[in-house]
Amino acid sequence: DGGITQSPKYLFRKEGQNVTLSCEQNLNHDAMYWYRQDPGQGLRLIYYSQIVNDFQKGDIAEGYSVSREKKESFPLTVTSAQKNPTAFYLCASSIYGTSTDTQYFGPGTRLTVL
Amino acid sequence: AQSVTQPDIHITVSEGASLELRCNYSYGATPYLFWYVQSPGQGLQLLLKYFSGDTLVQGIKGFEAEFKRSQSSFNLRKPSVHWSDAAEYFCAVNNNNDMRFGAGTRLTVKP
Repeated sequence: DGGITQSPKYLFRKEGQNVTLSCEQNLNHDAMYWYRQDPGQGLRLIYYSQIVNDFQKGDIAEGYSVSREKKESFPLTVTSAQKNPTAFYLCASSIYGTSTDTQYFGPGTRLTVL
Repeated sequence: AQSVTQPDIHITVSEGASLELRCNYSYGATPYLFWYVQSPGQGLQLLLKYFSGDTLVQGIKGFEAEFKRSQSSFNLRKPSVHWSDAAEYFCAVNNNNDMRFGAGTRLTVKP
């Protein structure tokens, strides 16, 4: 059963801690994306990767880091430098990363900073 | 920079009534246009997309959308809404690998 998995579904973090969100896809897609969703603001791009070992910053990359060591995995680390990390985080993938590609989304991870 | 506007934050319709969700974009050329739906606490699912050709596109779950170049609009429609359509709907625009999402329209369906 192909798709995108994100774990955990809910994550709680204390201020000053780094935390890593997992994203795995078995669709054999080249491109992967991380978005942040806040109420009333739609989705904003954090990072994207079109190929293994390469990634680019999106609009709101500050305080976040990623890696792409394997085609199927694109973990996101929310660092203590991120001023307001409480949000819903969505991972997506697309086959080649071109403008016409459909992006397929995972179920999301809700991060709450205590 | 390109942008996407969904003027309606929240819409309520009765079950069985017709639906139209508005989407406007600002960009000189014709970008690639998408509509996604999101159920609470879930990821986004593609409803339909437009690249070129026939300006009326059909999607899943009985949805359709019409591209109007003169109005820079890509409105989503459904002739008869079902209670299961209650969700949040996002219009998105992709130009040169730059995907932009609207802020979303939340749809409530009354019995």
